[in-house]
Parts: sequence; C-alpha cells; structure tokens
Amino acid sequence: NAGVTQTPKFRVLKTGQSMTLLCAQDMNHEYMYWYRQDPGMGLRLIHYSVGEGTTAKGEVPDGYNVSRLKKQNFLLGLESAAPSQTSVYFCASRMGVVSNQPQHFGDGTRLSIL
Amino acid sequence: AQKVTQAQTEISVVEKEDVTLDCVYETRDTTYYLFWYKQPPSGELVFLIRRNSFDEQNEISGRYSWNFQKSTSSFNFTITASQVVDSAVYFCALSEAQQGAQKLVFGQGTRLTINP
Repeated sequence: NAGVTQTPKFRVLKTGQSMTLLCAQDMNHEYMYWYRQDPGMGLRLIHYSVGEGTTAKGEVPDGYNVSRLKKQNFLLGLESAAPSQTSVYFCASRMGVVSNQPQHFGDGTRLSIL
Repeated sequence: AQKVTQAQTEISVVEKEDVTLDCVYETRDTTYYLFWYKQPPSGELVFLIRRNSFDEQNEISGRYSWNFQKSTSSFNFTITASQVVDSAVYFCALSEAQQGAQKLVFGQGTRLTINP
C-alpha cells in the first residue's frame, strides 16, 4: 500500500536554482494538497487541487507553482529558490465525495536552500 | 479568518501519567471540521480523529479521548496512561465545511515527550 509518495525525500539547492517536487497517490483521490512545515508554525497550505487539471492558491502560494496534469500526480515547482523556502514539504490527498474525509499525508520532503 | 491555537508548545510527563493537549480555535463558519494529527519522530503525519461541528459527542478510542466544547471553541485531546510510544508532535487542525475544499488550518503543534 503505497498511499502518498513524495519524491525526493531530501534535496539541497543553491539560491536561484529551480526544482520540482513530485507527489503521487494511488488511492484515486480527487483532492490533493501541498503544505510546508516550519519550526513553531505548524503546517501551512501552499496550493491545492480539487481535481485533474485544476489548481488553486492556499495560504502561502508566493514563489511556488503547481500542476495537476494527471489525477494521481501533483507537482510543486520552485522557479527560483530562496533561503526562505527552506522547509519540510508535505503532500496530502483525500477523497472528494464527502468534505469531511481526512487527508492522507506523504512522508515529507526536506528542502534546504543555501 | 480561521485560527487554531495550541498554547502548549512542549509537554513532558512520566510514563503512565494522563496528559491533556489543548486546542482552541476561531472561525466564523457555522459548520466546520476539527482534526487531530500525530507526527512521530519519523516525521510522517498520522490522522487520529475528525469531529464535525454539529456533533458535540465526546469520543474515546482506547487510551485516547477527545472533548469537543463548542461553547468554549475547544477540542482537547487526552491520553490516559501515557506510553513512551505516544511521544510525538500533535497537531490540531480546522477546516470550513461549506465549500468542500477542506483547506486545513493547523495549530503550531504540541511536542509531547513521555519519559520512561
């Protein structure tokens, strides 16, 4: 049971570099989310998707872009990485039938920007 | 705007003690959902419980229990007879219910350490 898989698990970037984080889920979930976790601040929503081909902004979207070309994948891109984007990134997914279904989280990606 | 406050940043107790983690929330929505997640030292987030705003029944699951009080906007979590394996960061989260997107707003988390 893979559930929600995030790739890569760790990455170190230099300021100004770009990269894409991949989230894949095998549960046929409609909704997918990207969060970042910073010390003392809990998790904050970056972007989310309510279905294939759709994306929407969350609480802290600046500096990030996302795409949901396939239902099972949700990509998070950093076009020009900044030290302030050093964080642990979590992807989550959930069924869309009932809005109170819990989100299932991946194991996280630890990203450091030097 | 929605807000979740977990005032206890860190709690440390001795094994077998009972411990309560506090969660206070703010929302203007009349219907909403509340969640608790556990983040063990390995880092993943584990779903523990969901509560609908219109259901104020308390819930017990083994050593875990949750007290939802709409009048005080609180959703507290109690672990009875704590064990070392309960050591983790615990997050309370809130989402609106009307629009269906379930955009979670998390509290800052409470780091719970159970000492043997």
